[in-house]
Amino acid sequence: GAVVSQHPSRVICKSGTSVKIECRSLDFQATTMFWYRQFPKQSLMLMATSNEGSKATYEQGVEKDKFLINHASLTLSTLTVTSAHPEDSSFYICSASKAGTITEAFFGQGTRLTVV
Amino acid sequence: AQTVTQSQPEMSVQEAETVTLSCTYDTSESDYYLFWYKQPPSRQMILVIRQEAYKQQNATENRFSVNFQKAAKSFSLKISDSQLGDAAMYFCAYRSKQGGKLIFGQGTELSVKP
Repeated sequence: GAVVSQHPSRVICKSGTSVKIECRSLDFQATTMFWYRQFPKQSLMLMATSNEGSKATYEQGVEKDKFLINHASLTLSTLTVTSAHPEDSSFYICSASKAGTITEAFFGQGTRLTVV
Repeated sequence: AQTVTQSQPEMSVQEAETVTLSCTYDTSESDYYLFWYKQPPSRQMILVIRQEAYKQQNATENRFSVNFQKAAKSFSLKISDSQLGDAAMYFCAYRSKQGGKLIFGQGTELSVKP
C-alpha cells in the first residue's frame, strides 16, 4: 500500500505563535507533495505544491511568508503556519504521489488547526 | 485551465438502492486521469475509483462504477446496493497526464437512509 502520515491530527495554538504540520510518506518516495486547505462542507483548495529539494510553488492568493513549506527529503514535507491568527483556523491536508508515477495521490489524515 | 463541476451539493439514497453522482469537467487535453474520492466524517480522503481517459471501458470497483463519456466530458459515479457506510462527501477530480495537482469539484454530500 501507500501510506501518508500527517501529524499532528489536531492542534490548538495561541494567536501570534507558529505551528508546524508534518506530512510523511511512510512506504514510498514522493518527489512532489501537495498542501490543501479545506473549510467545512467545502472542497479542497490547493495552497501549494512542494517539490523535494526546491522551493514550493504557491497558488495565487496564498501568502508565502505565512505558510512556509519545506520539502527536505523524499519522504517529508512540512507546512509551518507563521504568526497564526484565528482566520487561519482550518483543516489542512497533504497528499503525495509515488515518485515516477502520476496516477493517483495518497492523502494524509489531515490536521485541524484552531487558533485562539 | 481545467475545471471540474459537481452540480449536486447533496444527494440522498435509501439503503440497498442505487444512486448516481454527476460530474462534468472541461479540458483541452486529450489524455488525463479522472478520480472519485470519498471523504467520510473522519475527513480521510479515500480513493474510490480511477479512470484513464484513453481507456474507453468504464472503470468498476465492486459496487462502484463510472459512466465515462469523453466527448461530453462527463464522469458520473454509480453506487449500487448503497450501504450506510457510503455516507460521505464525494469529490470528483481531474489530473493531467503530465502529473501535477488534482483539480477537485465542489463535492456532493451523500446521505444513506436506513
